[in-house]
Amino acid sequence: QTVVTQEPSFSVSPGGTVTLTCALSSGSVSSRHFPSWYRQTPGRPPRTLMFDTNIRSPGVPHRFSGSILDSRAALTITGAQADDESDYFCVLYVGVGVWLFGGGTKVTVL
Amino acid sequence: VQLVQSGGGVVQPGRSLRLSCAASGFTFSSYGMHWVRQAPGKGLEWVAFTSYDGRNKYYAEFVKGRFTISRDNSEDTLYLQLNSLGAEDTALYYCANSPGARTHFDSWGQGTLVTVSS
Repeated sequence: QTVVTQEPSFSVSPGGTVTLTCALSSGSVSSRHFPSWYRQTPGRPPRTLMFDTNIRSPGVPHRFSGSILDSRAALTITGAQADDESDYFCVLYVGVGVWLFGGGTKVTVL
Repeated sequence: VQLVQSGGGVVQPGRSLRLSCAASGFTFSSYGMHWVRQAPGKGLEWVAFTSYDGRNKYYAEFVKGRFTISRDNSEDTLYLQLNSLGAEDTALYYCANSPGARTHFDSWGQGTLVTVSS
């Protein structure tokens, strides 16, 4: 069974940089998996941040960037702000009609 | 873009429920549509997808023939029929759209809670 793994949690200082990753148990992540990223705060629906590896959704600040790093999808927050504190989920398209979510990363800004 | 969900509730194990997702603000018939769920305190889990025309449908393995995704493009509405529900299906169910040939989830509904309990 293929699983997608994210770091459970990260802490970052205000103004700092943090990189979240998204790994695939069956092998390397590439742009062919169309990595996408979502954030969710408690009690709210998810919000789309990034798709197709590095395309920001409308309205998403430029401090968020996406890439492939060491065979993993990555989401980098550069210059973290207090309201970036959230849960972040990645999704990989692993085959025809198969989408897998990672377990999510809880980001704390302090 | 608005995706307004309805149809959740409390249901006994083994029973059925139908969820709805009414779309507005975009050309519904041009978008693929997904259902994603989130068990209490847990992460997100993809459930099902239907192509823009309803011809192609895909399901997560755990669905095992119990759920059916459908759409009515004349009413701009997406559905998820849930049958043979078990306690493990208790979750907040979200609908989400997927533009054109893209594979990501774009806009999300507000979620509707399904609680399976005797």
